[in-house]
Amino acid sequence: SQQGEEDPQALSIQEGENATMNCSYKTSINNLQWYRQNSGRGLVHLILIRSNEREKHSGRLRVTLDTSKKSSSLLITASRAADTASYFCATDEDTGKLIFGQGTTLQVKP
Amino acid sequence: DGGITQSPKYLFRKEGQNVTLSCEQNLNHDAMYWYRQDPGQGLRLIYYSQIVNDFQKGDIAEGYSVSREKKESFPLTVTSAQKNPTAFYLCASTASGRAAFYEQYFGPGTRLTVT
Repeated sequence: SQQGEEDPQALSIQEGENATMNCSYKTSINNLQWYRQNSGRGLVHLILIRSNEREKHSGRLRVTLDTSKKSSSLLITASRAADTASYFCATDEDTGKLIFGQGTTLQVKP
Repeated sequence: DGGITQSPKYLFRKEGQNVTLSCEQNLNHDAMYWYRQDPGQGLRLIYYSQIVNDFQKGDIAEGYSVSREKKESFPLTVTSAQKNPTAFYLCASTASGRAAFYEQYFGPGTRLTVT
């Protein structure tokens, strides 16, 4: 089953620019999570946003959630070369498990 | 140091052989998960366990088996019935079986190559 789908699939920007990734999903959710994966590594949790929240911040990360449009966005401000990674959204098909999207591959050029 | 360990990092097997991937956590988490990731793809859920001695099939369980005899351990066996086993395998855990409400902690992954 495919719940979250990220857009774009790939994004290339210069250091210092902002990066925006979008996630769309199909069914109602309790929460939406964003994860980051460096090449060949495990995923690292970034942010969890609840269905009754519209926006959440963590350092240079800003996540928005629009439940009416069934979509979320992840904004990374003032990007750095170290932000180069794949970013995944994950939604709950039911409370017991997460469904991950295909991911957005971000390249930040120094 | 709390976390999830997976071993080995790289694993090579001949076609037709069963192979078991190890996943151990010392986070005292109730729930554990196994995912498969193919190149350029997202994660697909193989099996998950919300509590000791219980587990459920995920989206792609065919050709795989698991056990959950101890809270800290959730080994995955890739059997010869799995048609295309070469992939990157990730193990994760959460504090509670209600995965929607908790962040998942991931291990470093095992890259399995079957020839």
